[in-house]
Amino acid sequence: DQQVKQNSPSLSVQEGRISILNCDYTNSMFDYFLWYKKYPAEGPTFLISISSIKDKNEDGRFTVFLNKSAKHLSLHIVPSQPGDSAVYFCAAGTYKYIFGTGTRLKVLA
Amino acid sequence: SQTIHQWPATLVQPVGSPLSLECTVEGTSNPNLYWYRQAAGRGLQLLFYSVGIGQISSEVPQNLSASRPQDRQFILSSKKLLLSDSGFYLCAWSVLVAAGANVLTFGAGSRLTVL
Repeated sequence: DQQVKQNSPSLSVQEGRISILNCDYTNSMFDYFLWYKKYPAEGPTFLISISSIKDKNEDGRFTVFLNKSAKHLSLHIVPSQPGDSAVYFCAAGTYKYIFGTGTRLKVLA
Repeated sequence: SQTIHQWPATLVQPVGSPLSLECTVEGTSNPNLYWYRQAAGRGLQLLFYSVGIGQISSEVPQNLSASRPQDRQFILSSKKLLLSDSGFYLCAWSVLVAAGANVLTFGAGSRLTVL
């Protein structure tokens, strides 16, 4: 049973526009949600997190929104840049995290 | 500053051979340590995590084992590799924080190909 799902395997966005990456989860006991960015053959790098008691967290171009009633979170990247092209993973948990399957973002110049 | 080292970066092994991947963390004490695997076209699967020396929790029944002989050293092993063990193995560490997310920091990964 997949507790963390990223239903869109890929997304293409024009440079300068908003990228919206989605993530759904099933376990309402998760305390934290994280977003990671990953390039091929490299380890994931941490982008932004949100606590289950919050509904929004912002860091520069990255904003994460949490809708607990819908068990849904999203990552907004504004404005999108070509260097943002990578695979994005959401993760949920507390001291150990369950990752989604990732969404490949391609930002077109 | 904290750094994480993981080696080897690339490994090609025959079926039935043993495996040892090593991970060390510098600049922190008593970290939580993790092994994740990314199979081709798949997400990140948690294999093992450790909250202290000799304390290992296995998340998925498999052909692999983990050990933590020192505070900042985490080893992933297998006695006999299977084809299905191929993948990209990632070590990560985190430190428990009283407030805020327990963020994982990943190593560069080890690409294992079993032939």
